[in-house]
Amino acid sequence: RKEVEQDPGPFNVPEGATVAFNCTYSNSASQSFFWYRQDCRKEPKLLMSVYSSGNEDGRFTAQLNRASQYISLLIRDSKLSDSATYLCVARNAGNMLTFGGGTRLMVKP
Amino acid sequence: GAVVSQHPSWVICKSGTSVKIECRSLDFQATTMFWYRQFPKQSLMLMATSNEGSKATYEQGVEKDKFLINHASLTLSTLTVTSAHPEDSSFYICSAKGQGVETQYFGPGTRLLVL
Repeated sequence: RKEVEQDPGPFNVPEGATVAFNCTYSNSASQSFFWYRQDCRKEPKLLMSVYSSGNEDGRFTAQLNRASQYISLLIRDSKLSDSATYLCVARNAGNMLTFGGGTRLMVKP
Repeated sequence: GAVVSQHPSWVICKSGTSVKIECRSLDFQATTMFWYRQFPKQSLMLMATSNEGSKATYEQGVEKDKFLINHASLTLSTLTVTSAHPEDSSFYICSAKGQGVETQYFGPGTRLLVL
């Protein structure tokens, strides 16, 4: 079983739609969690951190549920430029990052 | 913000040759650098962690004699793929972090194609 699991998608949504991605992690000792965005043939870029209390940044909202070891990302009012692969990432105490397989989002006009 | 560069961004080589990839932190001192590999349609997999002045720590399944890592200064780490073969073709990405800082900053990656 992968340490961080995501639905690979692709999620094909029209502009303006709301889309939600889920992620589960198996290592209960993981300390911090993040969502990264990776465009085709580029390096991953940090989108936002994820907290139990929730974290909102504009159209993006991330949530962590430690009890069920579940992380979510909600994107409202999708834009064409949101098309990318979204990576769920867990960090352990040794500061090592474990990446999920990514969820591909395609926003269409 | 912190900037990490990689060189080269693209490399095509013949099977059996060795390829060196450089990872540089441009505006901060990177006490730790990480090397990742990403195959098409797969996620990033950590290959090794290197601390400045120390030997790299390799992840399980990564051959240390094939993937030589040197982190001789606080701004430069190199990954050498020795005797590269077509199955080594991949996207190699480094990241770097400074002392006491949790955030890793990623380089733009190096795409390796071994013919």
